[in-house]
Amino acid sequence: EDQVTQSPEALRLQEGESSSLNCSYTVSGLRGLFWYRQDPGKGPEFLFTLYSAGEEKEKERLKATLTKKESFLHITAPKPEDSATYLCAVQNTGGFKTIFGAGTRLFVKA
Amino acid sequence: NAGVTQTPKFQVLKTGQSMTLQCAQDMNHEYMSWYRQDPGMGLRLIHYSVGAGITDQGEVPNGYNVSRSTTEDFPLRLLSAAPSQTSVYFCASNTRGQGNTGELFFGEGSRLTVL
Repeated sequence: EDQVTQSPEALRLQEGESSSLNCSYTVSGLRGLFWYRQDPGKGPEFLFTLYSAGEEKEKERLKATLTKKESFLHITAPKPEDSATYLCAVQNTGGFKTIFGAGTRLFVKA
Repeated sequence: NAGVTQTPKFQVLKTGQSMTLQCAQDMNHEYMSWYRQDPGMGLRLIHYSVGAGITDQGEVPNGYNVSRSTTEDFPLRLLSAAPSQTSVYFCASNTRGQGNTGELFFGEGSRLTVL
């Protein structure tokens, strides 16, 4: 059974204090690993898709990396506007289903 | 371009009542799905559809029904609401078209409270 585990559940940072969010996954055959951002009261918004181990994607202060068992979302010099819940998800090669982790709530204080 | 539209945004039901959450997308996506989101549990897949006339169960299907008569619409029915169905519900769609990233496009959510 496909499974996604994210850690930590919550992370509090000072503005400018870089850190990483972890996503561990098990999947029968990986079609893609996804990162989404979710603001309070809103639906998740797509950030990245990673397809194979060793792949990296960047967007502004965010950088996502992928190994065969984990993905990391690195946040460099975060700003208060980066505060949100970050969700990790996987799709397997067998179908359309996307399975999500519970998310990491990020708080960045000015 | 509206994307994925969910209605209603808020609903309060009494135990045993029935209702339908509506979801419509205007992107001609073949795949549509319903998730529920509860504190500490992330998004859990309820039902999904890979095209008109085709539906299947996700991780937590009990107590919910779906149908897909058109490409655009994918309603979620609660036949006899229970307090355990109090949650925020999200509809999402995507396509397997050439070059797509596999990303899901989400609606704004429907917050349901069952008393």
